[in-house]
Amino acid sequence: AQTVTQSQPEMSVQEAETVTLSCTYDTSESDYYLFWYKQPPSRQMILVIRQEAYKQQNATENRFSVNFQKAAKSFSLKISDSQLGDAAMYFCAYRSAGDDKIIFGKGTRLHILP
Amino acid sequence: DTGVSQDPRHKITKRGQNVTFRCDPISEHNRLYWYRQTLGQGPEFLTYFQNEAQLEKSRLLSDRFSAERPKGSFSTLEIQRTEQGDSAMYLCASSSTQNTEAFFGQGTRLTVV
Repeated sequence: AQTVTQSQPEMSVQEAETVTLSCTYDTSESDYYLFWYKQPPSRQMILVIRQEAYKQQNATENRFSVNFQKAAKSFSLKISDSQLGDAAMYFCAYRSAGDDKIIFGKGTRLHILP
Repeated sequence: DTGVSQDPRHKITKRGQNVTFRCDPISEHNRLYWYRQTLGQGPEFLTYFQNEAQLEKSRLLSDRFSAERPKGSFSTLEIQRTEQGDSAMYLCASSSTQNTEAFFGQGTRLTVV
């Protein structure tokens, strides 16, 4: 069974600094998708960034980028120029290309220090 | 497009009562998911529909839980004989064939007292 592991329950970063959230996953599949979702306090979960496993190039969305290491089954999220609005729970998630179910990690709570 | 809508947002019920939650997906999304999220944890998959067909159920989903999606539009999740351990946020999400990701609603927070 596929699993997603986030080893950092909480992290803090100074406003305007850069922070990296870690994620590892376990799968025997070769074709899959990886996601980072953001869940602000008392608000709904939204997609931050998506990576297709067949693409070697790391995905980037404005201040958010990933470091996808397929062989190591690692998928970290880098947030540059951190802003107060980035404070949230961040979930790493996996979906096999042959399945519609999305599996989530336990999350990392990110604090932004003013 | 108003996004995924869930009703109610909050529900407090006494142990042993039945509760039903509703989810309205984004229009024309053929896939609909139910997840459960407890405090400080990630969403746990419960069940999933493609159109009106329930294609997968988690072993977490006891026989007290039932979900339906009549006509492939909105979905309901019913919990019978609620227990305190059922207290959680119940999240609904939807996606289409063109999407790899799922779009989430704001959830229904259930408290069993």
